[in-house]
Amino acid sequence: KNEVEQSPQNLTAQEGEFITINCSYSVGISALHWLQQHPGGGIVSLFMLSSGKKKHGRLIATINIQEKHSSLHITASHPRDSAVYICAVSRYGGSQGNLIFGKGTKLSVKP
Amino acid sequence: DAGVTQSPTHLIKTRGQHVTLRCSPISGHKSVSWYQQVLGQGPQFIFQYYEKEERGRGNFPDRFSARQFPNYSSELNVNALLLGDSALYLCASSLVGSGSLSYNSPLHFGNGTRLTVT
Repeated sequence: KNEVEQSPQNLTAQEGEFITINCSYSVGISALHWLQQHPGGGIVSLFMLSSGKKKHGRLIATINIQEKHSSLHITASHPRDSAVYICAVSRYGGSQGNLIFGKGTKLSVKP
Repeated sequence: DAGVTQSPTHLIKTRGQHVTLRCSPISGHKSVSWYQQVLGQGPQFIFQYYEKEERGRGNFPDRFSARQFPNYSSELNVNALLLGDSALYLCASSLVGSGSLSYNSPLHFGNGTRLTVT
């Protein structure tokens, strides 16, 4: 079993839909990261959180430390949101860059 | 300000050869981390350097090595290339490397170097 599991693996949505991507992890962490990767390969860091909830524009990330679970929500989805979304965790006591990554969720938003 | 820059963007090598990949962090960032992403998989951690010292190492063979220079740029070296080393190699920088300050120091990723080994 992977230490970071994401679901679903693939997600197709219609423009305007509310989207949720889930991440569960099995190790103690100091932070959880949500990343966005476009087809060219470059990665953009969306959120880094260790508790509670963060919001940026149409994106919302939540984390429940007790349940070892995080969700990424996209409200009013748009075709430009199409990308791979990756959950990654920094192991507690480890160096910040020592991330354990999920396999990613490929999101396709249709107009 | 320029973001994290990686060079080259693409590279084709033959089995057994050696390769050097380069990464320039965001100005002021002292930590650089390297990751390997095989097609269809999530990235895997290779190394982290902070203030020119190795601060973390992933589960990669000794053929992989790295270093960080006084200007905080970094090189990743891979010797005796195998077909399985074909991947996207990503670099990320941050202000700090670990500890409580890292909670407010997000990672910034470059666009990667796509290495093909034939």
